[in-house]
Amino acid sequence: AQTVTQSQPEMSVQEAETVTLSCTYDTSESDYYLFWYKQPPSRQMILVIRQEAYKQQNATENRFSVNFQKAAKSFSLKISDSQLGDAAMYFCAYRSLFTGGGNKLTFGTGTQLKVEL
Amino acid sequence: DVKVTQSSRYLVKRTGEKVFLECVQDMDHENMFWYRQDPGLGLRLIYFSYDVKMKEKGDIPEGYSVSREKKERFSLILESASTNQTSMYLCASRGANLQYFGAGTRLSVL
Repeated sequence: AQTVTQSQPEMSVQEAETVTLSCTYDTSESDYYLFWYKQPPSRQMILVIRQEAYKQQNATENRFSVNFQKAAKSFSLKISDSQLGDAAMYFCAYRSLFTGGGNKLTFGTGTQLKVEL
Repeated sequence: DVKVTQSSRYLVKRTGEKVFLECVQDMDHENMFWYRQDPGLGLRLIYFSYDVKMKEKGDIPEGYSVSREKKERFSLILESASTNQTSMYLCASRGANLQYFGAGTRLSVL
């Protein structure tokens, strides 16, 4: 079974600064998807970014980018020019391409990001 | 935009009650999911469904059941609610390799 580990329960960043959230995972599969989801106080889960394991190029979405290290099984999220609206719980998630389970997501335990003025 | 709607934002129930949590999606997705979210544990899969009347257990199905009589609706049932089922429940549906989530139901069992 796959596992996802987020070792930072809380992080803080100053507005306009850059912060990196860590995520590691364990799998024996070669092809899979990785995701970062954001959950603000409204509780609505929002997809931030997605990475396909077969792609070597790191995914980027505006101020959000990832550092995907397949051999190390590491998938960190970098937020540049942090804004107050970035304050949220961030979840890293894994999805297998091959197993059953409706292609379920396996989540980490989350990192609470605080953005300070 | 995909919309996943959970019927209640907050629910308060008593121990032993039968509880229904409802979820509706409007994008004709085949796969739907129920997750439970607890602090320090992340989201854990309770049940999922890949078609009408089809269901599979997730990682923590004990104490729960589900119903999917129509494609757009996926219900989570607590047959006899217990205090350890106090939690946040999130419904999701999957399309185009992405999962779309509802806003969650915070259930308190007293």
